[in-house]
Amino acid sequence: DAGVTQSPTHLIKTRGQQVTLRCSPKSGHDTVSWYQQALGQGPQFIFQYYEEEERQRGNFPDRFSGHQFPNYSSELNVNALLLGDSALYLCASSLVSAYGYTFGSGTRLTVV
Amino acid sequence: QQQVKQSPQSLIVQKGGISIINCAYENTAFDYFPWYQQFPGKGPALLIAIRPDVSEKKEGRFTISFNKSAKQFSLHIMDSQPGDSATYFCAASSPSGTYKYIFGTGTRLKVLA
Repeated sequence: DAGVTQSPTHLIKTRGQQVTLRCSPKSGHDTVSWYQQALGQGPQFIFQYYEEEERQRGNFPDRFSGHQFPNYSSELNVNALLLGDSALYLCASSLVSAYGYTFGSGTRLTVV
Repeated sequence: QQQVKQSPQSLIVQKGGISIINCAYENTAFDYFPWYQQFPGKGPALLIAIRPDVSEKKEGRFTISFNKSAKQFSLHIMDSQPGDSATYFCAASSPSGTYKYIFGTGTRLKVLA
């Protein structure tokens, strides 16, 4: 049973560029949440998707956007990249209105 | 009120010793408190979790102690092993909205052989 799959594993982008990160949830899960983990910090909630709609957003600017597809997979898009966007981006899947996240291994984004 | 404060920031323990990590919260609406283990380059993996209706939960060498009145909870790792060397995060969540997690800042544990 596959867990949460994220791609790519590593990415290097230049300031001002745009990036798309992808996530396939654990089989049976219908909800995808995205977290940003800066070096040496705990993960910070970006937003959550269920039924292809954004349910809640954390304290992140509109440069961060997302999408969920009918097969429950999800994308995280970041526009106009800043050096401060360099972080590990984690996708977590779950069942709606339930505890119990399963995290992927993350995408390490470096902005230069 | 949404913060979860975690201490210590780093911890060094001898093999066979007990590792203790503490967390404190303010929001009384939190009702789910998981602990996650994270190795370098990997995502967090759930270790153990507790609800506030119990004061202690044990799974193998890992125990959560929960003090509802003090709004504190802690992770105890008994008989610590070098393979336990990792970063540990506490978190808290509430059923309002999306069940999102509020994470602590992490504790880097090193167990010496």
